[in-house]
Amino acid sequence: KAGVTQTPRYLIKTRGQQVTLSCSPISGHRSVSWYQQTPGQGLQFLFEYFSETQRNKGNFPGRFSGRQFSNSRSEMNVSTLELGDSALYLCASSLGTGASGNTIYFGEGSWLTVV
Amino acid sequence: SQKIEQNSEALNIQEGKTATLTCNYTNYSPAYLQWYRQDPGRGPVFLLLIRENEKEKRKERLKVTFDTTLKQSLFHITASQPADSATYLCALETGTASKLTFGTGTRLQVTL
Repeated sequence: KAGVTQTPRYLIKTRGQQVTLSCSPISGHRSVSWYQQTPGQGLQFLFEYFSETQRNKGNFPGRFSGRQFSNSRSEMNVSTLELGDSALYLCASSLGTGASGNTIYFGEGSWLTVV
Repeated sequence: SQKIEQNSEALNIQEGKTATLTCNYTNYSPAYLQWYRQDPGRGPVFLLLIRENEKEKRKERLKVTFDTTLKQSLFHITASQPADSATYLCALETGTASKLTFGTGTRLQVTL
C-alpha cells in the first residue's frame, strides 16, 4: 500500500512569507504527527492530530499551526517565516493515537529553505 | 532537564563486524524505546520497538537491549554490510505523551 506522502518535496520561501505543507497518511491511519529536523536541533516534535483533533503539541511558537481533515490528511502552516525555519519537515502516520507501541511511518519530508 | 544522548561521533567499522550504538537518557521514564534508520535526504524508517518490561528484542541481524536501571539502550547490527551505512536514531515515548522524543542520531559507516 502507498506510504506517507508529503508535498511539496522542496520549496524556497522569503522571510516574512507563509507556507503550507501537506501530508497524506497511509490509508487507514488516523494519527498524523509533524516533526522538524535541523542539523543543530535534530528531530523535534511539532504536533499530533488524531481524528481532526490536536492531541499534543511541542514547544514551537504559535506561528506553527496545523490541522487534520476528515479523511485524515493533514496540513501544517508556518506564518511569518524566519531564516531559522529552514528545515526538513517530516510527517508521520500511525494507526492509533501517538506512538503507544504503534509503528510510526514517516514520509520523505518537505525541504523548506527560507531566504 | 530531559536529555537523550547518542554518540555524536560517526562510528566506522569494517564489513562483517558487529556495530554497537548507544542511547543514553536522563530524566525520562519511557514506556517504549524505538530505533530508526535514516538515510540522507530521506525520512526515518522504523526498525525496532522495545517495551520497558523487555530486556532484549531481535529482528534478523538487529538486536536491541533496554536497561531501565542504567537508562540505556544498545543497538547491535551483526555481520555489518556497507548497505547498513546510515544514521541511526533512538526515540523515547513516555506513557503519558503521544509524541516521540529523538536523540540526535549516530552515523554508522561500514567499510569493505
